Formats: sequence, structure tokens, C-alpha cells
Amino acid sequence: SQQGEEDPQALSIQEGENATMNCSYKTSINNLQWYRQNSGRGLVHLILIRSNEREKHSGRLRVTLDTSKKSSSLLITASRAADTASYFCATVPTGANNLFFGTGTRLTVIP
Amino acid sequence: ETGVTQSPTHLIKTRGQQVTLRCSSQSGHNTVSWYQQALGQGPQFIFQYYREEENGRGNFPPRFSGLQFPNYSSELNVNALELDDSALYLCASSSQGLYTEAFFGQGTRLTVV
Repeated sequence: SQQGEEDPQALSIQEGENATMNCSYKTSINNLQWYRQNSGRGLVHLILIRSNEREKHSGRLRVTLDTSKKSSSLLITASRAADTASYFCATVPTGANNLFFGTGTRLTVIP
Repeated sequence: ETGVTQSPTHLIKTRGQQVTLRCSSQSGHNTVSWYQQALGQGPQFIFQYYREEENGRGNFPPRFSGLQFPNYSSELNVNALELDDSALYLCASSSQGLYTEAFFGQGTRLTVV
């Protein structure tokens, strides 16, 4: 399967703490993207990191990519209750033109 | 708001019926992809349309079909509905395929009874 796998499946933290989610995948990729989904609604794009990049930042988000280990991590700093959602990593494998999603990490931020 | 709209938001159909779901892509985007998301799972790729032509298909049977119109809006049709087709159907629009970010609509929740 070309799907990514997120770890952990669920994460519960206190407001203000940092949250780290990991993603592993199996094939070479063009890019890897992280999305957020609130309560089974549409997906919101968070960040895209290309295969030749190692780290990207966007506000409170930090994404790393290690293509040698076929893994990525998403760090959310100073979490807020509004960050409560499911987070998915999705890869665009080399030569493909669609996203392959993992099963997601359910993040709960307790006020 | 992403500018991608899907209709209807919710739908209940009977097994064996046919359904059409609609998606209006974001202005300037020529690529539309459809995904099926079962409860508790990640989205699964159904197919993609680029400039009105099918441009890739996932592991879904032929009773899942689609169209893209000259204004780049799109339809997903599912014939002979089965109970397992119950899911959230997501439409995503993008430019240049998936080498840039995709913008998702809010989805259509289909329930087959």
C-alpha cells in the first residue's frame, strides 16, 4: 500500500502543550502534505513539504521530512482547544497525481 | 472557506439506487479529485479529472463514474448503490495536479439503507 500511517492514533494533551504526530510511508514521493479535519467535515490543507526539503514552518506548525527513513512529523506548538481535530498526512508518490492518505491522528486539546 | 462547494451536504439512498454528487471547484483550478472517506478511516482516492478528461483512477469499480465540465465543475455518479458505499465523499480542486496544495469541499455524507 502507498498509504501513510500516522502515529499515535490518538493523542490527548493540555492546552499550551506541544503536540507531535508522526507519519511513515512506503514509496518515493514528490511531496507530503498535512491536513486537518474537524468532526468529519472537509479537509483543511496545513502545509506541503517537497521531497528535497527537510523542514518547513507555518505559524505554530513545524513539519520535518526524512526521505531516507520515509517519515515525517508534524509539531503543533502551544496548542489550543481549537486545535482539537483529526490530522492526516498524505503523500503524492513519484509519478502519481493523487493523494494517498493515512488513517489519521485524533488530537484532543483539553482547556 | 476554500471556495470549493459540494452538494448536497447529506443524502439518504436505498440500496440499488443511483446517486449524483456535485462539486464546484475553486476559481482558476483545472483539476478535480474525488475521495471516499469511510467512518474512522482516511480518504481513499476514487478518480481525478483534468481539463475534462479522467486523469487517474483508484481501486473503485466501474459503477463509480464521473464527469468534468468546461467550467471545471464535476460530478460523481454511483450506480447500483451498496450499503458499503455509505461514506463521506470529498471533492478537492487544485492546479497543476497535486504538486501544489489541494482545496477540499465540506463533503457529501451519503447513507445507503
